[in-house]
Amino acid sequence: AQTVTQSQPEMSVQEAETVTLSCTYDTSESNYYLFWYKQPPSRQMILVIRQEAYKQQNATENRFSVNFQKAAKSFSLKISDSQLGDTAMYFCAFMKEYGNKLVFGAGTILRVKS
Amino acid sequence: NAGVMQNPRHLVRRRGQEARLRCSPMKGHSHVYWYRQLPEEGLKFMVYLQKENIIDESGMPKERFSAEFPKEGPSILRIQQVVRGDSAAYFCASSRNLPGQYPPSSDTQYFGPGTRLTVL
Repeated sequence: AQTVTQSQPEMSVQEAETVTLSCTYDTSESNYYLFWYKQPPSRQMILVIRQEAYKQQNATENRFSVNFQKAAKSFSLKISDSQLGDTAMYFCAFMKEYGNKLVFGAGTILRVKS
Repeated sequence: NAGVMQNPRHLVRRRGQEARLRCSPMKGHSHVYWYRQLPEEGLKFMVYLQKENIIDESGMPKERFSAEFPKEGPSILRIQQVVRGDSAAYFCASSRNLPGQYPPSSDTQYFGPGTRLTVL
């Protein structure tokens, strides 16, 4: 079975600075998908970024980028120029190829301070 | 394009009552998933459905819980004889089939706003 570990329960960052959230996972699959979802105080789950394991290039979405290290089974999220609206719980998630369920980590609470 | 819709957003039930949670997927999406989030925890998969079919219910408790996705209308997650431990946020997600893939594979899952169930 796949597992996802987020080792940082809470983090904080000053507005406009950069922060990196960690995620590691365990799987015997060779092809799979990795995701970061954001859950702000409204509790809505919002997709931040998606990475296909067979792609070597790291995914990027505006201020959000990932550092995907397949051999190390690591998938960290970097948020640049942090904004107050980035304050949220961030979940890392795994889905195997041809699979249909997401396996989530326990989450990291990120607080952006002004 | 409307997103995934869930209702009600908040539901209060007394122990022993039934809870019905509804989910309408995004337009063009044929796959529906239900997840449960207990307080201070991540989301846990419960069930995956396509129209009129339960594909994977490996995360669903064996008793009191059931799900359906009829040909017409929303997907329903039903919890009978609720207990306090059922208090949680229940999220629905939907996705579309990735075209041209075999075996069929689903695309990125998009979530609804969730239903917060409180059992008194």
